[in-house]
Amino acid sequence: NAGVMQNPRHLVRRRGQEARLRCSPMKGHSHVYWYRQLPEEGLKFMVYLQKENIIDESGMPKERFSAEFPKEGPSILRIQQVVRGDSAAYFCASSPWDSYNTGELFFGEGSRLTVL
Amino acid sequence: DQQVKQNSPSLSVQEGRISILNCDYTNSMFDYFLWYKKYPAEGPTFLISISSIKDKNEDGRFTVFLNKSAKHLSLHIVPSQPGDSAVYFCAGNTDKLIFGTGTRLQVFP
Repeated sequence: NAGVMQNPRHLVRRRGQEARLRCSPMKGHSHVYWYRQLPEEGLKFMVYLQKENIIDESGMPKERFSAEFPKEGPSILRIQQVVRGDSAAYFCASSPWDSYNTGELFFGEGSRLTVL
Repeated sequence: DQQVKQNSPSLSVQEGRISILNCDYTNSMFDYFLWYKKYPAEGPTFLISISSIKDKNEDGRFTVFLNKSAKHLSLHIVPSQPGDSAVYFCAGNTDKLIFGTGTRLQVFP
């Protein structure tokens, strides 16, 4: 499967725990984006990363959320001390181009976080 | 600040007829507009795009129209098929994609 791979597909956490979501981009893609979809809402941009660099994190909440895309391995979206409002579907997307191109992104199937 | 708006949360169309999904935007800096299709429990998949310097782009049953003066774009699907039933998101691109809230299309026999 050469698509964007996300895991876990479903994650259940209790309030105060940590959630780690992983994303492996398509082969050859070096640009990774994270989006969040709250229930009954659209996709909200969170962060744009290239290898070892955060390019744009304007959509990330100021606290508890962090993202990385190391030189080796998948991109990680980390949510510390989760609260019920973090329950959402988190989508990762990748692109082979500079983001100033056509904008076409290839999305994974998402990770659904439920906070009890 | 919602830069991309899809004011119709749902649309129901009979099979074989035309489906028209609408989208309005406020950001004049968007250089491309894209439509994505999303099935439940799956990620969005790219459908069609249009450059801001064009007013129409066609791909098979799908045509996107852009009216820059009105800051409006629309997606036409003709003929509509039951497999087209999904949520459709429009998005504008500057250095990242900004999505609308989606329109749920249901195509019935």
